[in-house]
Amino acid sequence: SQKIEQNSEALNIQEGKTATLTCNYTNYSPAYLQWYRQDPGRGPVFLLLIRENEKEKRKERLKVTFDTTLKQSLFHITASQPADSATYLCALAPSYSGAGSYQLTFGKGTKLSVIP
Amino acid sequence: GAGVSQSPSNKVTEKGKDVELRCDPISGHTALYWYRQSLGQGLEFLIYFQGNSAPDKSGLPSDRFSAERTGGSVSTLTIQRTQQEDSAVYLCASSSGHPNYGYTFGSGTRLTVV
Repeated sequence: SQKIEQNSEALNIQEGKTATLTCNYTNYSPAYLQWYRQDPGRGPVFLLLIRENEKEKRKERLKVTFDTTLKQSLFHITASQPADSATYLCALAPSYSGAGSYQLTFGKGTKLSVIP
Repeated sequence: GAGVSQSPSNKVTEKGKDVELRCDPISGHTALYWYRQSLGQGLEFLIYFQGNSAPDKSGLPSDRFSAERTGGSVSTLTIQRTQQEDSAVYLCASSSGHPNYGYTFGSGTRLTVV
């Protein structure tokens, strides 16, 4: 069955450093990989998308890589700030059929704490 | 509306009672999804609706769970004869359909079955 693993349940990092979160998957060939941020008591918020034919995507201080050979995505936050503290979820989607919807399979998330 | 709205935000119910959870998606979003999130667990897919197509109910854990979407907009998730293992946060999301655009989630309904 499909399995998505995010490297650790919790990650502590010093302010200003680069945080690196890992998402590994098995028994799956996603065409799209998305990253979400979730704060306590809130629903996840979409951050970034990367497609299977893309190696890297950047958005401000965020960078995502996607290696379909290793079946792994890395999510980097550079110059991390205490406000970046949250749980980060990776989510995978299969090829888009054009039907107007797609189903995401989520990892359990990694709780990031940025220490001042 | 500006975002996905869910109600109630919290619900405490007695075991065996029925509950209804409501989701009001973003206007114009054709796809609507229900997930649930238990403590320490990832998001578990329940059901999704796309336009007028038959919903994908493949994630519903038992026949006590059902959902409908009226007029292509508001959706209601119903849990009959609630059990303690139903306690979780129920999250609704909507999307414009293509994976280029992520899901927009509501803040969820925290259901506690006592």
